[in-house]
Amino acid sequence: AQSVTQPDIHITVSEGASLELRCNYSYGATPYLFWYVQSPGQGLQLLLKYFSGDTLVQGIKGFEAEFKRSQSSFNLRKPSVHWSDAAEYFCAVAEAGTALIFGKGTTLSVSS
Amino acid sequence: NAGVTQTPKFRVLKTGQSMTLLCAQDMNHEYMYWYRQDPGMGLRLIHYSVGEGTTAKGEVPDGYNVSRLKKQNFLLGLESAAPSQTSVYFCASSSTRTSGGARSGELFFGEGSRLTVL
Repeated sequence: AQSVTQPDIHITVSEGASLELRCNYSYGATPYLFWYVQSPGQGLQLLLKYFSGDTLVQGIKGFEAEFKRSQSSFNLRKPSVHWSDAAEYFCAVAEAGTALIFGKGTTLSVSS
Repeated sequence: NAGVTQTPKFRVLKTGQSMTLLCAQDMNHEYMYWYRQDPGMGLRLIHYSVGEGTTAKGEVPDGYNVSRLKKQNFLLGLESAAPSQTSVYFCASSSTRTSGGARSGELFFGEGSRLTVL
């Protein structure tokens, strides 16, 4: 069965430090991969997506993610975290024509 | 440019009551989805639809029914609400075609509907 694992439930990063949020998936074919962000009380906002091609994907707000087929991973990175990045982050996976399967999320806290 | 609209945004129910959540999208998307979000559980798929008149079960379909009588609308019904259905519900839609900046399979979400069952 398809699954998405976000190993870290909660991460705290100092403002200005770099960030990496992990995402691993279990899927037969090359899936479509997404990262979403959700601020408290808000809906989900798409940060970036990978469908094919270049395995390093640039998104909004200075985020990027790298698809590594050999590791079945799609980790989210940001070189310098801002306090406004504190939110919950969801990795999601789908095959063409199927519903998106979400990980359980990683809550990011930013310390000053 | 409304996108995906959910109504109502908030609702409080008593156990055993029924209600319907309405999702409307104006992007002519073929696929529509209902998810529920609970703390520590992420988003879990309840039901989805691949086209007008068709529905399918997702990961957690029990206690819910859905209908897709019109392409633009996807209704989620609770016939007899239970406290375990207290959650935030998100509707989403996607296209099977690449159009503009959106690729096939990219989901567009509504803002969510917070349901409390007492």
